[in-house]
Amino acid sequence: GAGVSQSPSNKVTEKGKDVELRCDPISGHTALYWYRQSLGQGLEFLIYFQGNSAPDKSGLPSDRFSAERTGGSVSTLTIQRTQQEDSAVYLCASSLAVSTLQETQYFGPGTRLLVL
Amino acid sequence: AQSVTQPDIHITVSEGASLELRCNYSYGATPYLFWYVQSPGQGLQLLLKYFSGDTLVQGIKGFEAEFKRSQSSFNLRKPSVHWSDAAEYFCAVGESGGGADGLTFGKGTHLIIQP
Repeated sequence: GAGVSQSPSNKVTEKGKDVELRCDPISGHTALYWYRQSLGQGLEFLIYFQGNSAPDKSGLPSDRFSAERTGGSVSTLTIQRTQQEDSAVYLCASSLAVSTLQETQYFGPGTRLLVL
Repeated sequence: AQSVTQPDIHITVSEGASLELRCNYSYGATPYLFWYVQSPGQGLQLLLKYFSGDTLVQGIKGFEAEFKRSQSSFNLRKPSVHWSDAAEYFCAVGESGGGADGLTFGKGTHLIIQP
């Protein structure tokens, strides 16, 4: 079946512009995670959603970052007033549930963001 | 806070030789431990995971890992590597009994296979 998909695969933007990154989880997966992979920081957890519940935003690096999940499925990560340090690969993952980490997280191919 | 250390940034192994990638974690309770592989241009793929029980875990592609609580380690092994194993390998730890904080990843080990 289809895996996690993300769009766009690559995004180049100018400093100060807003960007939206999209994630389509595997059908039936209720948990959705966003991670950021950058050269200096490695892979870091940003935010997760369980169904339609309010997300845990504790991992977001600044208030310029926000995320939403519509209808418990597709998620959008928005970065406002982008900065050069936001350049990274943004990975999305989904799993059947978030109540236990025994559920495998399946990762998408990522969106490579470059802020000029 | 939990943390994961992968001491080797790069490892070079000859094709057919054995492999061991090191992973040490810092966590107070019983951790959930994972190894993921990321090939160039590909997403992260789960190799194996440990939650409880037998400390030697078998994964896909011929990989295995052993949980050693006394050493806070979860090293990944393969008896004979193939050129297709060249990739970035990430060890990760999760909080047992909940997944609210996502996974904490190590910085990765880049595996190079020599012919």
